[in-house]
Amino acid sequence: ETGVTQTPRHLVMGMTNKKSLKCEQHLGHNAMYWYKQSAKKPLELMFVYSLEERVENNSVPSRFSPECPNSSHLFLHLHTLQPEDSALYLCASSQGLSFGGRYEQYFGPGTRLTVT
Amino acid sequence: DAKTTQPNSMESNEEEPVHLPCNHSTISGTDYIHWYRQLPSQGPEYVIHGLTSNVNNRMASLAIAEDRKSSTLILHRATLRDAAVYYCILSSNTGNQFYFGTGTSLTVIP
Repeated sequence: ETGVTQTPRHLVMGMTNKKSLKCEQHLGHNAMYWYKQSAKKPLELMFVYSLEERVENNSVPSRFSPECPNSSHLFLHLHTLQPEDSALYLCASSQGLSFGGRYEQYFGPGTRLTVT
Repeated sequence: DAKTTQPNSMESNEEEPVHLPCNHSTISGTDYIHWYRQLPSQGPEYVIHGLTSNVNNRMASLAIAEDRKSSTLILHRATLRDAAVYYCILSSNTGNQFYFGTGTSLTVIP
C-alpha cells in the first residue's frame, strides 16, 4: 500500500465512449503524474501537475484530458480513444517535483485500460 | 533526452548479492540517478537515489562511478520477492525529464 489509489483497476471501453480515471493520494504531496505503460515499451510520462498547475504535457493527444482539482486528486478524462491506447495507466505523486532529483515518486497500482 | 542503458535480464541465486549495472554516459552535472523496481501486476516502487556519493538504505545500496557515467544497484541478499524489473532513471530539471527506459528483468532462482 503506497498511499496512492487508482480507480477503476480495470476498464473496457469502446472507441466512442467517454470515461474517466481517478487517482487519489493520501500522502500530503504537492506533485502528481500520469504515466502510460504499453506492452514491451518504457513508461511514458504524460502529464505533470505541481500545486494543481500543469507543468508538463508530453505531446499527448487531445483525446486524453487531465484535471487536477486539488493536490490530492488527479483525473484523466478519456474520449474517442483508439485501440492502440490500450495500456496500463499509472498515477504517481511526490512531495515536490521529481525533476532535478530530490523527491521520489510513489505509484498507484494502475488502471488496465482496454479499448475495443 | 537523458538516457540510460541496462541489460535486458539478469539471474541471481537466492540469498546471494546482486549487482545491477546501468550506463548513463550523457549524464549532466545536476542529474540525479534514481532506481525503481516494478513487481508483476504492480506500479513501480522507489528503491534508492543519489547524485555523486554512494548511498545505502534498507532496501539496497547505490554505487556511483567517479565520473558518474555509470552506476550499480546492489541488493545484498536476493530473495524471491526481489524478482522484478529494475529501472535506472536520470532525473533532470533540464526539460523536466524522468525517463524510465526498458529496465532489467531480475530472476531470482531458489
